Amino acid sequence: DIQMTQSPSTLSASVGDRVTITCRASQNIKNCLAWYQQKPGKAPKLLISKASTLETGVPSRFSGSGSGTEFTLTISSLQTDDFATYYCLQNFGYWTFGQGTKVEIK
Amino acid sequence: QVQLVESGGNVVQPGGSLTLSCAASGFTFSNYGIHWVRQAPGKGLEWVAFINYDGSKKYFGDSVKGRFTVSREDSKNTFYLQMNSLRAEDTAVYYCAEDVRDSSGYGLLDYWGQGSLVSVSS
Repeated sequence: DIQMTQSPSTLSASVGDRVTITCRASQNIKNCLAWYQQKPGKAPKLLISKASTLETGVPSRFSGSGSGTEFTLTISSLQTDDFATYYCLQNFGYWTFGQGTKVEIK
Repeated sequence: QVQLVESGGNVVQPGGSLTLSCAASGFTFSNYGIHWVRQAPGKGLEWVAFINYDGSKKYFGDSVKGRFTVSREDSKNTFYLQMNSLRAEDTAVYYCAEDVRDSSGYGLLDYWGQGSLVSVSS
């Protein structure tokens, strides 16, 4: 089974900050990596697929990069609406989520 | 507009059974599969199960293998997650999510339902 290690688990930041979240896969998953945003009491929302493809309607301040075993989600300038929990998901071998990163107000 | 509505969540005793439903609309039902994902209170997301567009492929996470099963009823545009031998650790909000194939053919979880709460407790 493919394991996903996401870090950090919590991130304190201010509006306007540049934020980076990392996911590492236990084996090569090519670019089969997606990022989701979840707000309290809501279902997750797909932000990025295939490691770097921004979904329609997602602000351009979000970007994804990486391939193989190491991936990053970057928010270039954090906005109030971005305070949420973010999950990576590998979809190469079945499906596995990372543990999540809560982005909170500093 | 894709819409997924889960139902069937309830309180059930350890060792009991429960079936969740996921009613779908807004897309051609027979062309798509569905994933089930759960989230224990205050915890992260856990992928649980998948059924493909024609029901010929079913996959399960290790924690539920042998206890849960998935099915679909095309005449009702509804997917099901049947859960047997329930344990306290199965307590969670259960989401269904539409499987969408990316340009390389890998399955992605796109639209999600609002979730249904299952509580396993005596």
